[in-house]
Amino acid sequence: AQSVTQLGSHVSVSEGALVLLRCNYSSSVPPYLFWYVQYPNQGLQLLLKYTSAATLVKGINGFEAEFKKSETSFHLTKPSAHMSDAAEYFCAVSHPRAGTALIFGKGTTLSVSS
Amino acid sequence: DTGVSQDPRHKITKRGQNVTFRCDPISEHNRLYWYRQTLGQGPEFLTYFQNEAQLEKSRLLSDRFSAERPKGSFSTLEIQRTEQGDSAMYLCASSLVPGSPTDTQYFGPGTRLTVL
Repeated sequence: AQSVTQLGSHVSVSEGALVLLRCNYSSSVPPYLFWYVQYPNQGLQLLLKYTSAATLVKGINGFEAEFKKSETSFHLTKPSAHMSDAAEYFCAVSHPRAGTALIFGKGTTLSVSS
Repeated sequence: DTGVSQDPRHKITKRGQNVTFRCDPISEHNRLYWYRQTLGQGPEFLTYFQNEAQLEKSRLLSDRFSAERPKGSFSTLEIQRTEQGDSAMYLCASSLVPGSPTDTQYFGPGTRLTVL
């Protein structure tokens, strides 16, 4: 069975500071991993995904994540936070057979202060 | 490509009533998924379709829930005899035919259901 744990339900940073959102996964097979962002009253938007190619994945809006098999982690980072980054972020895992359902973590709310 | 659309965006109903939601996927996307998201939680998988065939159903999908995708295009999700515990955001997503490891699920804006 696959699962995702997001450490920290709420992260607060100052504008311009480093953003680090943590995600650990459990999977019996090498998984596909995703980060989605959700703004209030909106659906989910894909930030980036890992599908067994490069372990450092770059996404939209300056975000990136690194797949670390030894740590079963896929943490999301951004060097410099912007006010517009305030949202809820979800890490998700899926079986590497394409087209299967995503299993999501509980999410991390990112707050950015000026 | 106009994205995944869902209708209605909000639905308020009384306990015991039936409700139906609609999802229009991105055109030519063969896979269509339904998820449910409750407050403070991540989305949870309910069911998915490959064209008109319903291929997988979660144990969360009780017998009060039914989903259809009659012509392999839009899909409907019906909840019969709604309960207060059904209050949630219902999300629809679509993706291209599987076979590509980079297949991505694109989400709609969701339908927020409130059961009074």
